Amino acid sequence: SQQGEEDPQALSIQEGENATMNCSYKTSINNLQWYRQNSGRGLVHLILIRSNEREKHSGRLRVTLDTSKKSSSLLITASRAADTASYFCATDVLKGAQKLVFGQGTRLTINP
Amino acid sequence: EPEVTQTPSHQVTQMGQEVILRCVPISNHLYFYWYRQILGQKVEFLVSFYNNEISEKSEIFDDQFSVERPDGSNFTLKIRSTKLEDSAMYFCASRTRGVTYEQYFGPGTRLTVT
Repeated sequence: SQQGEEDPQALSIQEGENATMNCSYKTSINNLQWYRQNSGRGLVHLILIRSNEREKHSGRLRVTLDTSKKSSSLLITASRAADTASYFCATDVLKGAQKLVFGQGTRLTINP
Repeated sequence: EPEVTQTPSHQVTQMGQEVILRCVPISNHLYFYWYRQILGQKVEFLVSFYNNEISEKSEIFDDQFSVERPDGSNFTLKIRSTKLEDSAMYFCASRTRGVTYEQYFGPGTRLTVT
C-alpha cells in the first residue's frame, strides 16, 4: 500500500507567503519526518514528529500530525527563494528495521 | 556536525558491469540503510542492516544486490551485473538506537548505466 502521499504535487507561491504541504499515510507509524531535496541533491532532514505529538515547530517550520486522520502538514512561513525545493514526508512503521517510506513529494517554487 | 558521506558522487558504468557504492555512516550509529531514487520518482527503500546482517530488504533488492560492512566504518552496496533500470540516485542513511531517532542521509551517488 502507498504511504506518505503528498499534496499538492506542485506549489508555486510568492516570496514572503506561507506554503502548506500535506501528507497522508495508511498504516500505523512510529514517527513522521519531513525532508527537503534540492534538485538532484541529497535529502536534508527538516523535522521529526512522533506519533504521540500533535504539533512541532522548528524555526519557520510548523508540522502537525493527526493520527486519527493519518495525515500531516508542513507549513513554511515567510517563504524565501532558498526554500525552493522538493519536500517529502516519510513514515516509519511500528515494526522491523524502521525503514522510511517516502511519498512522491511536493515541488515547491518560491517566486521572487 | 557529523555527517554521512558517500563516494563516488557520480558513477557511470556499462550494462553488465559490477559497481560498488560506498558510504561512511556517522560513527556511533548502529542502523544502516540504502535507498534509491529513480529520476523524477520517489525515494524507495532497498535494504537495512543492523548487527552485521540484513534486517530487512525490499523486493527491489534481489540477488544482484549485496551489502557489506567490511571494516566497521564503511558500508557498501554492490550491484553485480548492472542493468539500465539500475540508473538512479542511491542514498545511504544511518541512525542511532531507539525508536524516535531520525535517519541521516548522505548526499547520494548518481549511478548511470549505459
